[in-house]
Amino acid sequence: SQQGEEDPQALSIQEGENATMNCSYKTSINNLQWYRQNSGRGLVHLILIRSNEREKHSGRLRVTLDTSKKSSSLLITASRAADTASYFCATDREGGNTGKLIFGQGTTLQVKP
Amino acid sequence: DGGITQSPKYLFRKEGQNVTLSCEQNLNHDAMYWYRQDPGQGLRLIYYSQIVNDFQKGDIAEGYSVSREKKESFPLTVTSAQKNPTAFYLCASSKRGTGHEAFFGQGTRLTVV
Repeated sequence: SQQGEEDPQALSIQEGENATMNCSYKTSINNLQWYRQNSGRGLVHLILIRSNEREKHSGRLRVTLDTSKKSSSLLITASRAADTASYFCATDREGGNTGKLIFGQGTTLQVKP
Repeated sequence: DGGITQSPKYLFRKEGQNVTLSCEQNLNHDAMYWYRQDPGQGLRLIYYSQIVNDFQKGDIAEGYSVSREKKESFPLTVTSAQKNPTAFYLCASSKRGTGHEAFFGQGTRLTVV
C-alpha cells in the first residue's frame, strides 16, 4: 500500500530557481525520509526528519514536517542541472519497529540549464 | 568500500522460468529489503528481513521467495507464479529498527521475453 502521495508529479524549473515538493501521508509516523533517484539507478538518502521535529536543513535542502496535517515538504534552493532526478518521501509507521519504509509515488524534477 | 551490490544489472526471463536476483552488502546491517518499482511509480515492498534466518512478507510477496542464510546476502527469486514480473527491482539494507536511513543497490531490471 502506498502511504505517501507526492505533489506535483512533475516539476520543471530553470537553474537557480527553487524547487518545492510536497508529500502527504495517511497514518501516524515515527520518521519521514526523503530520497533521490537518478534515472535507472538506486535511491540515495537525502534527509530524515523525526515526528517531533518541524524543520531540518542539509546544505541546499530544507525539509518541513507538519504532523497535524500529515504532510511534509522538500525545498531545494538555488537548483542546479545536476538536481534533475526523481524525489521520493518515505515513512514508517508509528509504533512499528521494523524499519520498513513506505514510499510515495515520487516527484520528477527537471532543472533546465 | 562499504556498500550494497545487486547483480545482474539486466536480466531476461522466459515464460515459466524462475530467476534469482542477487543482493550482497558489507555494511554490517541486520535489516535487508526488496522493493519493486514499476515505470513512473514509487517502490513497493516485496519482502524484508531483520535478522539472519528470519524474513517477512511485504505488500506484494505473491510469486516471490527469499532466503537469509547469511547476514550479508538476501537473494530474491522471482518464480513462474509471478504473472507480471517485468520491473525494476531494488534491494536495500539498514540498521535494525526505525529511524535509520536505507542504503540501496543500483537495481536489477528484469524483463520477460
